[in-house]
Amino acid sequence: EVQLVQSGGEVKKPGESLKISCKGSGYTFTNYWIGWVRQMPGKGLEWMGIIYPGDSDTPYSPSFQGQVTISADKSISTAYLQWSSLKASDTAIYYCVRHNPQSRGWPFDYWGQGTLVTVSS
Amino acid sequence: QSALTQPASVSGSPGQSITISCTGTSSDVGTYNLVSWYQQHPGKAPKLMIYEVSKRPSGVSDRFSASKSGNTASLTISGLQAEDEADYYCSFGFDRSVVFGGGTKVTVL
Repeated sequence: EVQLVQSGGEVKKPGESLKISCKGSGYTFTNYWIGWVRQMPGKGLEWMGIIYPGDSDTPYSPSFQGQVTISADKSISTAYLQWSSLKASDTAIYYCVRHNPQSRGWPFDYWGQGTLVTVSS
Repeated sequence: QSALTQPASVSGSPGQSITISCTGTSSDVGTYNLVSWYQQHPGKAPKLMIYEVSKRPSGVSDRFSASKSGNTASLTISGLQAEDEADYYCSFGFDRSVVFGGGTKVTVL
């Protein structure tokens, strides 16, 4: 069974750093893209970026380029989303998502359970 | 890619059919069959319902169908049920980039 299991919720202060994780199982981690989608409170979905663990190719959304870092450790089938200096506006639920490269249009066939990040002074 | 436009809300009675639109431009939706649709129940992660405009992943009810005409893609829910009440999002993915629509809240009256 394919699963994406994310790390738990976080409460941070503005200016702090943070790294959240997403562990894939039930499939060959290096053969599928894995990415991140933001959902701010009461708002819609926003694609942030994605990584191909096989070669670490990482396209970002222009809206998030330079604001976050996406990485992956294929030895432990885990992807990461990282901030160096959080802002209150980073408060959101972050979903990790999987994309099968055989499907066109970048559909995300599996989603993690979401990680709530709260940034407040 | 520009944002995709969806109606904020659509409603229908049980058993009816409803259609949600997703409008792009001639440069994206109008040219490429690369639209996906997601269903999101409150407090849950989204679920893929449709990809490549009209293909259903395994396990998705055939009450969900989708198509495209010109710059607008559409998701139709037939035989509306209470469990279909949720938010629905379209997306367009091309050239290593993905954009979502603003989402449509479906209410079952």
